[in-house]
Parts: sequence; C-alpha cells; structure tokens
Amino acid sequence: GQNIDQPTEMTATEGAIVQINCTYQTSGFNGLFWYQQHAGEAPTFLSYNVLDGLEEKGRFSSFLSRSKGYSYLLLKELQMKDSASYLCASMDSNYQLIWGAGTKLIIKP
Amino acid sequence: GAVVSQHPSRVICKSGTSVKIECRSLDFQATTMFWYRQFPKQSLMLMATSNEGSKATYEQGVEKDKFLINHASLTLSTLTVTSAHPEDSSFYICSATGLFDYNEQFFGPGTRLTVL
Repeated sequence: GQNIDQPTEMTATEGAIVQINCTYQTSGFNGLFWYQQHAGEAPTFLSYNVLDGLEEKGRFSSFLSRSKGYSYLLLKELQMKDSASYLCASMDSNYQLIWGAGTKLIIKP
Repeated sequence: GAVVSQHPSRVICKSGTSVKIECRSLDFQATTMFWYRQFPKQSLMLMATSNEGSKATYEQGVEKDKFLINHASLTLSTLTVTSAHPEDSSFYICSATGLFDYNEQFFGPGTRLTVL
C-alpha cells in the first residue's frame, strides 16, 4: 500500500533550527513535495525534490534519499510566523499526490 | 503567477440543500484540477481528479452522485455538494496543475462549508 509517515507535532524555539522528517512508500515515485499550511488556510508550496540530495531555498531546505524513501524539511532561524502544519506528499507513478497527515510545528519565544 | 481562486470562501446552508463551489485558475490553463476535503486536524483527502471536457475520476468511497464535478473549461471547475448533510461540513480545497516544469499543484484558498 501507499503510506506517508511524519511526526504529528513538534515544538521549537524562535531563532533555532528544526528538522521535520518524512518517510514514504508509494507505487512509483515522481517527486517529493513539502507544503506549509496555516490553520484555516490552504496549503502553499515550499519545495520539490526528485533527485537525491539537498535543495536549499532561503531559510528552508529539503533533502531526499530515494533509496531510503526518506525526506526532511529543515527550517533555520525560526520565526513565530513559521508556526503551521507542514505536509509531506509523494507523487506516485500516476502523478497523484499521496499526502502525509502533516506535522504541526509550534514555535515558542 | 499560478493563482487559483475559489468561491465562496465560506458557506452556511440548511440540511438538504445543494451547494456549488467554483475553482478558477486565474493566470494559467489548468490541465488537471483536484478536489480535496479536509476535516479538522486531519490531512488532505483527495475526492476526485478532473480534466477539462472529461468525466471526473473519483476516489474510492466518494459518491459521484453526491459530489458532482464539472470541468467545463481549462480555467474553471465546479464542485456541487447535493443534498448536503451536517456530516458534509468540512473544508473543501481545490488545486490545479498546468504545463509547468514539474507537476506542482497550486491550491485555491479553500471553502469552509457548514451544514446546519
């Protein structure tokens, strides 16, 4: 079956660094997406990885290991506005996104 | 670029009525549109995938006669919740993909449906 696992909730301190892990099992693979979703709003795109390695985009970086079925989202210099849910999604062979349940990130001052 | 709008943003209706939600890609042609439902504190649940001019493909467990999807053009898809009941109350989100470098989905802002 298809499955995406990510932690339910994480807490971090403003200014610190946090890593949100995601493991996936999908029928085929056409890339791994990370989305940010604030409460009551729709998801917004953060990153896309299809090759192994680290993709850096400002304060956010995303890593992929296809052999391990593993990805992580790294957030640096955390700000209070980063408090949100972070959704990991794997695109399967039919180009359909299989979504994780999301990781709620709580930032404390 | 790649903006998706959704209307209405919030709707409250009586049980038994039908509600139509519109999803529009404003600055690109959407080859495919997706309809999701999200219950509080849960992840997105794909309801159906639709391509312009063809019938929508519904996910298992989603009643196609209850959730009518019309994808009339490359920029507009509608979801009609027929004979809505309180258990249909949820956050409905559409997304769209176009001819971009990769198959990124652009999301509309969502519609909060409350059925009394």
